[in-house]
Amino acid sequence: ELKVEQNPLFLSMQEGKNYTIYCNYSTTSDRLYWYRQDPGKSLESLFVLLSNGAVKQEGRLMASLDTKARLSTLHITAAVHDLSATYFCAVYQMEYGNKLVFGAGTILRVKS
Amino acid sequence: GAGVSQSPSNKVTEKGKDVELRCDPISGHTALYWYRQSLGQGLEFLIYFQGNSAPDKSGLPSDRFSAERTGGSVSTLTIQRTQQEDSAVYLCASSLDGERTIYFGEGSWLTVV
Repeated sequence: ELKVEQNPLFLSMQEGKNYTIYCNYSTTSDRLYWYRQDPGKSLESLFVLLSNGAVKQEGRLMASLDTKARLSTLHITAAVHDLSATYFCAVYQMEYGNKLVFGAGTILRVKS
Repeated sequence: GAGVSQSPSNKVTEKGKDVELRCDPISGHTALYWYRQSLGQGLEFLIYFQGNSAPDKSGLPSDRFSAERTGGSVSTLTIQRTQQEDSAVYLCASSLDGERTIYFGEGSWLTVV
């Protein structure tokens, strides 16, 4: 069974600081996703990582993928309050029925 | 449409009643997914459609849950004899065959009282 683990599950940080969210998964995969969810809202796609060593950046967020280590990271640079949300990683597995398996999510609170 | 559309956005129902939740995927998207999000359970996969067929129904929690998709477009998730533990947000997502991005709808918030 594919398992996806995120840590930390809760992150409180000051504006201007940097931090990294980690996503480990248990079996090989060719796709890893990062989503953002605001309270009461749906999931917004942030990044799709397709290969080992893939790195994508959008604004203050940068995601990377190491398929050998089965690890993805979401790095936050110089956090701002607007980044406060829940962040999910999800791993896509065709062998497990063409579905995304989600991590538990990381609740990020950026304090002014 | 511009995005994945779900209805109703909110539904309160009495225990034991049946409910139907509808999903309109993005036009032309062949793959459609249903997920459930509830406190303490995270995001659970329910079912996946490729066109009108559902090769993977493994996530449906019980035989009270069923789903269908017609015309390769609209999908309906039906919950019979609802129970309080069915209370959750039901999210639908779609993607274009071969495209990597999977888009989620706003969800249907179901409360069983």
